[in-house]
Amino acid sequence: DTAVSQTPKYLVTQMGNDKSIKCEQNLGHDTMYWYKQDSKKFLKIMFSYNNKELIINETVPNRFSPKSPDKAHLNLHINSLELGDSAVYFCASSQNRADQPQHFGDGTRLSIL
Amino acid sequence: GQQVMQIPQYQHVQEGEDFTTYCNSSTTLSNIQWYKQRPGGHPVFLIQLVKSGEVKKQKRLTFQFGEAKKNSSLHITATQTTDVGTYFCAVVGGSNYKLTFGKGTLLTVNP
Repeated sequence: DTAVSQTPKYLVTQMGNDKSIKCEQNLGHDTMYWYKQDSKKFLKIMFSYNNKELIINETVPNRFSPKSPDKAHLNLHINSLELGDSAVYFCASSQNRADQPQHFGDGTRLSIL
Repeated sequence: GQQVMQIPQYQHVQEGEDFTTYCNSSTTLSNIQWYKQRPGGHPVFLIQLVKSGEVKKQKRLTFQFGEAKKNSSLHITATQTTDVGTYFCAVVGGSNYKLTFGKGTLLTVNP
């Protein structure tokens, strides 16, 4: 069973559209994250949730809205997609704090046309 | 927030040569993590170092944490083509729930 699974794996859409990415972890972890990895492979934290509570919002445009219905799920909704949103988005989880090993999903490759 | 400088950005080696990547911080770190990301893959946790001067080994990989806990290195002995990928260090800072990654070192290996 995949520990951290995110869907879809690929997302190709037009500028201005709204899209969602889903993430689920079956590790029983308390903390989940969204990261953005740009074309230069720079990996940057976007959001961090602990037990469904938003802990970190790393100056991300408010077009990005995370939602955590329970501690095993963290979804990401993006409104009015822009060209600069093209990237790979990774979901991750850790048992509790960020100083514990993080387990990453396979990533969602978002391409804006 | 906490930042780490990782060098080199790229390293190309012949199979069998050694490889080292370094992470440096201007402030004392509580711990440091290392991840590997294969091309087209996702970051995979390798190890965490916590103690000053700590050295840990995983087969051909040797991880070190500096005495002052401001720098760390990952050394691979006798590289193989399976070692290809980007190696990231990562540190916690600003919040217990925020992990900041270095920019990574992309290792390519010529067979």
